[in-house]
Parts: sequence; structure tokens; C-alpha cells
Amino acid sequence: DAGVIQSPRHEVTEMGQEVTLRCKPISGHNSLFWYRQTMMRGLELLIYFNNNVPIDDSGMPEDRFSAKMPNASFSTLKIQPSEPRDSAVYFCASSASTDTQYFGPGTRLTVL
Amino acid sequence: GQNIDQPTEMTATEGAIVQINCTYQTSGFNGLFWYQQHAGEAPTFLSYNVLDGLEEKGRFSSFLSRSKGYSYLLLKELQMKDSASYLCAVTPTTDSWGKLQFGAGTQVVVTP
Repeated sequence: DAGVIQSPRHEVTEMGQEVTLRCKPISGHNSLFWYRQTMMRGLELLIYFNNNVPIDDSGMPEDRFSAKMPNASFSTLKIQPSEPRDSAVYFCASSASTDTQYFGPGTRLTVL
Repeated sequence: GQNIDQPTEMTATEGAIVQINCTYQTSGFNGLFWYQQHAGEAPTFLSYNVLDGLEEKGRFSSFLSRSKGYSYLLLKELQMKDSASYLCAVTPTTDSWGKLQFGAGTQVVVTP
């Protein structure tokens, strides 16, 4: 079975540009999570969805960040406009009901 | 508030045993996870404890004491491939199921 799929794996962009990160959860999983990982702050939950509905977005840093889940097999995390401090590894994870979260390979974002 | 503490780094010799402690103070408790993360890779699930006691999985064991807000991950017969960061994560409350709070991680270095 395919695991969580994320694209792109690496993204380099310039400050002010829009960045869109994509995630395909494991088939059959009904919860999806977006995390950000940096050396300074560790692994932080940004937002999570249950059955395509956003449940908790309290970790989203500011209005420049938005996330959508239009269907059970696809989610996006968008940053507009991007800033150098957004540079991090962004992970998507999925889980089934009360089960373990499985992480995707991550997107390494560099904002110059 | 939420607080999860684990040591920053531990070094051990190949074949030895290492115990990684994790203490937590969270608003409610619904379970504790341990994840392994190799450099440049995604976190991968190791263990889940929801009741007090020891869970054993091959060379890895995890212990939980809910009354003490304490867990440990025991790595036996260390191998070079065990060099990684080990993340303790807590699900703070049943009301926000799925919202994992991660510790900063413990970097384990296995030496020959």
C-alpha cells in the first residue's frame, strides 16, 4: 500500500511568492494533519481535518497560511505571501479514527 | 499549559541499552506515542501507551505511568541504525482527539 504522498519534496522560492504544498493521505484514513518542523520549534501541529472538515486550526501561524481538503484523497497547504521565516520542513500525516498517525516524506521549503 | 520534557541527546555503544525518559504535564491525557525520526526523514511510529505498564516490541519497549506523568522508551541491543531522534508525543485530551503535542526529541548517537 502507498503511504502518505507529498509534493513537491523540495521547494525553493523567493519572499512574497505563493507556495502550495500538496498531500494525498493513505486510502481509507479519515483524519489528516499538517505539521511544520524547525530546529528552533520542533514539530508543531498546524491544522487537522476529520472527514474533510477542519477541526482545529489553532496552530496556523497567521492569515498568510491556509489549508483545504476538498475531498478525502487530497489536501493543500498554502502560504501567501511567503516569508523567509516560513522556511521549514512541512509534514502531512494521516490516520484512521483513533489510530496512529502516519507521516509523509515531507516538503522542505526554503524561502529566500 | 502543555509541557513535554525529554533529554536533548544521549550517546551509547553498539550492543548496549539506552533508556529515554519523557515527562509530561498536559491538560488531560489520552495516550502517549513514541516516534523515531532519522535525519532528513519523516517520523515513524514506534509505540503507543494508554494504560500504565510496559509494552514490548522486539528490541524496543515503552513504559507509562499516568500518575507520575512519565514514560520511557527502552532500546536494547543497540545497532548503528538506531542512531536517530526519538520523539515523545502526548494526546492531551479526549476533546481534541488527534491533536498530538510533541516533545523536542532526544538525539541518540550509537557509537561502534
